[in-house]
Amino acid sequence: DADVTQTPRNRITKTGKRIMLECSQTKGHDRMYWYRQDPGLGLRLIYYSFDVKDINKGEISDGYSVSRQAQAKFSLSLESAIPNQTALYFCATSDRGTGTDTQYFGPGTRLTVL
Amino acid sequence: AQSVSQHNHHVILSEAASLELGCNYSYGGTVNLFWYVQYPGQHLQLLLKYFSGDPLVKGIKGFEAEFIKSKFSFNLRKPSVQWSDTAEYFCASHRGSTLGRLYFGRGTQLTVWP
Repeated sequence: DADVTQTPRNRITKTGKRIMLECSQTKGHDRMYWYRQDPGLGLRLIYYSFDVKDINKGEISDGYSVSRQAQAKFSLSLESAIPNQTALYFCATSDRGTGTDTQYFGPGTRLTVL
Repeated sequence: AQSVSQHNHHVILSEAASLELGCNYSYGGTVNLFWYVQYPGQHLQLLLKYFSGDPLVKGIKGFEAEFIKSKFSFNLRKPSVQWSDTAEYFCASHRGSTLGRLYFGRGTQLTVWP
């Protein structure tokens, strides 16, 4: 969905480097999420935020941190990247006010850690 | 703990064949259910969703799904697949009382031969 953008789209980095993935949305949604996708494992939730002052850990938050700089921006950081963090990362947004809370996904960031 | 199971990891069909992809969830309370599709190299797109009401839900591109509470199932169906339906399909759910967090199945890769 063009309303949810992620930067960069692809990134190759080395073990131990700090990496930040950014997500922006123009949908006006209050909730934002970070997932990682690995082949055969589906999508797993890393962190989620229900509003600017609310940050929650997901299933696999170890090794990651997040920052909700504004309602429209939610960034994911890998403080010291390791090879098993090589994955496809998706940001998603949803709107509590709709009652259905359907999530809409960004185009993804493919991260490779060497 | 809530989980979503997709038992078919890879389905191969010829064009015009009928499709049914299985999805089971484990939570016994109110659930909201989704099917997402991911075309090669693209992000997840919503196919359909069930929140309440008619258990037979119709989505985009001729897909439908039936919620059967007694079987904890939400199987995806299409009467006649096309080559363009080749994609990965994800079932997901969240608890009705805690909207936001989505739990994904591991995905089913559908390959349609022309």
